[in-house]
Order: sequence, then C-alpha cells, then structure tokens
Amino acid sequence: GAGVSQSPRYKVTKRGQDVTLRCDPISSHATLYWYQQALGQGPEFLTYFNYEAQPDKSGLPSDRFSAERPEGSISTLTIQRTEQRDSAMYRCASSLGSQETQYFGPGTRLLVL
Amino acid sequence: AQSVTQPDIHITVSEGASLELRCNYSYGATPYLFWYVQSPGQGLQLLLKYFSGDTLVQGIKGFEAEFKRSQSSFNLRKPSVHWSDAAEYFCAVRIQGAQKLVFGQGTRLTINP
Repeated sequence: GAGVSQSPRYKVTKRGQDVTLRCDPISSHATLYWYQQALGQGPEFLTYFNYEAQPDKSGLPSDRFSAERPEGSISTLTIQRTEQRDSAMYRCASSLGSQETQYFGPGTRLLVL
Repeated sequence: AQSVTQPDIHITVSEGASLELRCNYSYGATPYLFWYVQSPGQGLQLLLKYFSGDTLVQGIKGFEAEFKRSQSSFNLRKPSVHWSDAAEYFCAVRIQGAQKLVFGQGTRLTINP
C-alpha cells in the first residue's frame, strides 16, 4: 500500500477484556515494528519482525502482550486481560530492512476503562 | 544509561520567527539520529536523518538539523516558521546494528499568529 495503515484507529474497552490491534505495512517492507506511546511521552519500542520472524520481544511489558506476523505481511498486537495502565497510543512502523528508515502508521488509541 | 533528552516540553514562537528545538543523547558511540513530527491525527512523519558525513542535514518542510559530536546534540532548526508547523516534534536515535528507535519525550510547538 501507499503507507502504513492501522486499525482500529480508536478502541475503548473494559478492564479485563482482550483487544487485538492490526497493522498493514508498506507492501515491499520486510521489517515491522510495534511501539507504545503513553500520553505526553515519546514512543517506546515493544517488538519487531523480520518477515514472520520475531527476533526481539524485549520491549513487551508483560506476558499479556503478544504479537504475530504469520505470513510476513500484516501483523497483530494482542493484549489479554487489559488493564487501565495499557491505555496508550500503539504505533506500527515498517521499513525495507532492519537497518532502514522506519515509516509510521497513524496509530491506534486504546482506552481501557 | 542510554537516553535521549528533549529539554523543552513546550515552545511557543511567533509566525515568521526562527526556531530551534534541542535534542541531546547519551550513548557511547555516535548513533543514527532522526527527527520526526507528529501532527494531530497523523502518524509520525520523518523530517530528516543523520547517518554520517556532513553534520548539517537538510530535511523536508524547510527544516535542518546539525549534529555536534562534542555536545552530543542534534538540534532542529527552521529560519522562519509557518502556522502549519504547529505540531509535536520527536528526536530519536538508533544504535548502529540495532533495530529499535529510542525517542525523546517530545517538544510541543505552538505558533502565535
């Protein structure tokens, strides 16, 4: 596609529910990243993929967070048993390769009540 | 500890005035350096980047940034701001060989007419 797209753009959920966020990267891009951005802060790295491989999960804050990219294209980020502290903007980015410039999508704003 | 610091949380300038946004980093070696802009409802857009070579880097929308190794700084400048420049600006670094970006907390720019 022309750019990175994310859906939904906004998600309101109740504490304890599971949510799944989707990212559709630029079509030629091998590498895909997930970041979490709390209000008033810069984005913080969660995880990344090279095609379907996930070499680094070090930024995932707990085992409630998981991500996958089964066919090396679209990726999902799932948060199980959401907590209020999970409320944030979740940003996806993609790049041609892991050492290339990252291009960001519009983000998904998650609010956990 | 490795970090990126943007000392100014909020800056207000008049339209037509010059602008400088500060960014300092704390890393053992020179990282790759980036400035991104975030407009309301938009994703993070890359303004410019520095990998090596000429320490004065030109970007889009009339922005430039200067890398100063001795000061561990990568300040963003624009000679004359426009009302459309009102946004949040993020400095980011990436260590050579690593994949993730590390962001500063951002500087919100307000333009007075």
